[in-house]
Amino acid sequence: KAGVTQTPRYLIKTRGQQVTLSCSPISGHRSVSWYQQTPGQGLQFLFEYFSETQRNKGNFPGRFSGRQFSNSRSEMNVSTLELGDSALYLCASSHYITGGGTDTQYFGPGTRLTVL
Amino acid sequence: TQLLEQSPQFLSIQEGENLTVYCNSSSVFSSLQWYRQEPGEGPVLLVTVVTGGEVKKLKRLTFQFGDARKDSSLHITAAQPGDTGLYLCAGPLTAGGTSYGKLTFGQGTILTVHP
Repeated sequence: KAGVTQTPRYLIKTRGQQVTLSCSPISGHRSVSWYQQTPGQGLQFLFEYFSETQRNKGNFPGRFSGRQFSNSRSEMNVSTLELGDSALYLCASSHYITGGGTDTQYFGPGTRLTVL
Repeated sequence: TQLLEQSPQFLSIQEGENLTVYCNSSSVFSSLQWYRQEPGEGPVLLVTVVTGGEVKKLKRLTFQFGDARKDSSLHITAAQPGDTGLYLCAGPLTAGGTSYGKLTFGQGTILTVHP
């Protein structure tokens, strides 16, 4: 079974631009979560989608948004980029995550975003 | 305040030594996951522990989940240079609500094993 794939792997943008990142989950997985990883803050949860619905959201500004398609693929968008948005953006998929959840998340390789 | 405290943050050892990484919380977790991450790559799942007191072994790696499900440890026997990487513990924090898709991560332990 193929793992989680993310495209592109690397991106360089300038301040004020917007960017869209893509994530294809493991086949059969319906939940996709997004995380931002920086050296200072570690892994921070952005949001989670399940069956095209956002079920959970972290503490990030509204410039960060996402969506999920009927085939479970997901995209996240960051508008009006700031220097501080430079990070590794990771998506993770899971078969199904309940509120109490023991379902394991499997991560993609990430997209390295650099904002100049 | 970090909900999951990992220690130590840095570990530099020689090949063949043993080591233990700790992951502690004041909150109860329904499960804890351990990941290993290499630079520029995503975290790779090592194990999920679910039951309080559970011990899981993966070759030279031994994982324990505390009886109260508030802490976990990772022990590596006879470390090898290939074990070098960032080790992360993570779990769904569900006290008082739901945690759909949200894993809370520790700060990570950077392990370097010298030949």
